[in-house]
Amino acid sequence: SQQGEEDPQALSIQEGENATMNCSYKTSINNLQWYRQNSGRGLVHLILIRSNEREKHSGRLRVTLDTSKKSSSLLITASRAADTASYFCATDARWETSGSRLTFGEGTQLTVNP
Amino acid sequence: GAGVSQSPRYKVAKRGQDVALRCDPISGHVSLFWYQQALGQGPEFLTYFQNEAQLDKSGLPSDRFFAERPEGSVSTLKIQRTQQEDSAVYLCASSLAVSGRAKQFFGPGTRLTVL
Repeated sequence: SQQGEEDPQALSIQEGENATMNCSYKTSINNLQWYRQNSGRGLVHLILIRSNEREKHSGRLRVTLDTSKKSSSLLITASRAADTASYFCATDARWETSGSRLTFGEGTQLTVNP
Repeated sequence: GAGVSQSPRYKVAKRGQDVALRCDPISGHVSLFWYQQALGQGPEFLTYFQNEAQLDKSGLPSDRFFAERPEGSVSTLKIQRTQQEDSAVYLCASSLAVSGRAKQFFGPGTRLTVL
């Protein structure tokens, strides 16, 4: 079963605008990751934020993590049509025997209109 | 430096048929994961290998699902007597380490359609 919930489920914006997606989760985590998935393709890792970090940047991406609220947000600045994809958050829970099994949210479908 | 590859990319099976899905992880990656992704949903964990050892198979939905990684490299996910609810994309991922900080690299997936 899915641990996380993402909101919004779908987001449509114009090129150049910023896009913000939110993710909530239920259990204690080691880290939280964001992935992108283009239609019919595999998942591409975007960014990882550890449980002791609050904010992380990578290019046009900014991720925040609030462990007290069990939530994270992904901000994409100056969006481009090529950013159109589904975005998933994934948590790596504190299990000892399962390597780094990831628990994914249901995803946000982002459409960037040219 | 090839990434994770999966074959076939698409598989159509009649209900009741057995299927085998292959995953070639990145060379040297210790950890290998299988996930199932239903249409419009996020991936769900199926099973985990550390080298050739299957350490967690708690996500396999039924005893019709079986996975192996006999030499600690290539893995095969087998589904026996396929049912329509098995229709999904099956994703394989590998990572270099076993710690919680190792990034997972995903393959393109195998889209299974059971008629």
